[in-house]
Amino acid sequence: NAGVMQNPRHLVRRRGQEARLRCSPMKGHSHVYWYRQLPEEGLKFMVYLQKENIIDESGMPKERFSAEFPKEGPSILRIQQVVRGDSAAYFCASSLGRTSNQPQHFGDGTRLSIL
Amino acid sequence: AQSVTQLGSHVSVSEGALVLLRCNYSSSVPPYLFWYVQYPNQGLQLLLKYTTGATLVKGINGFEAEFKKSETSFHLTKPSAHMSDAAEYFCAVSDGENTGFQKLVFGTGTRLLVSP
Repeated sequence: NAGVMQNPRHLVRRRGQEARLRCSPMKGHSHVYWYRQLPEEGLKFMVYLQKENIIDESGMPKERFSAEFPKEGPSILRIQQVVRGDSAAYFCASSLGRTSNQPQHFGDGTRLSIL
Repeated sequence: AQSVTQLGSHVSVSEGALVLLRCNYSSSVPPYLFWYVQYPNQGLQLLLKYTTGATLVKGINGFEAEFKKSETSFHLTKPSAHMSDAAEYFCAVSDGENTGFQKLVFGTGTRLLVSP
C-alpha cells in the first residue's frame, strides 16, 4: 500500500534552468496539495488541485511557478528559470476528500538546490 | 487570516520525562487543529487532529493534545519521552469551513531533543 511518492528526492539545478517535481498521490486519492518548506521554517501552502483542475493557487508565486494534475499520471510542480531563493524542500500531500475528516498524507519531499 | 505560533524552536527533555510542546492559534472561524511529526529527510506524519467534539484528542505513539478555546491553545503532550520521539513537530490549523478545503497553515516547528 504505497504512500505518496515524490521524485526526485534531491534535485540540483543551476540558475535559469527549469525544475520539474513529480508527485504520485496515494491510491484512490484525487486531491493533491503542494507545500514549500524553507530552511528553519514551517510548510507554506502553494496550490491545491483535483484531477485536471487547479482549485486554489493562492500560495503560488505568480511568475515562473505552475502546477498540473492531469487525468493520467502524476501531479507536476514546474519552476521555470530557477533562482537561488527557490532552494527549499517541496512537499506533496494527497487526500481522499476535501474535508478535514480525510487527512492529508505527505510524501518525503523533493529537496531542490539551486547553484 | 489564520496563524499558528509554536513557542520554543527547541525543547530538550530526558528520556522518561514529560513532553510538552506548545501551540497557540489564531482563527476567525472554528478551527480544525493538527499536530504533525517530521523525521529527518522525511515527510510529515499526522499525529492527531481536532475537528469537533471531545477537546482531548489522543493520537499515535502515546501523544495527546487538548483544545482550549478560551486560551486559543492546542498543546501537545506525552507522559514519558522515548528516544524515538526525537523529531520536528509542527502544529497546523485549517479553516476548512471557510475555504472549503484543507488549507493547512503551519507553525514554524519545534525540534524535540531527547537525552538518555
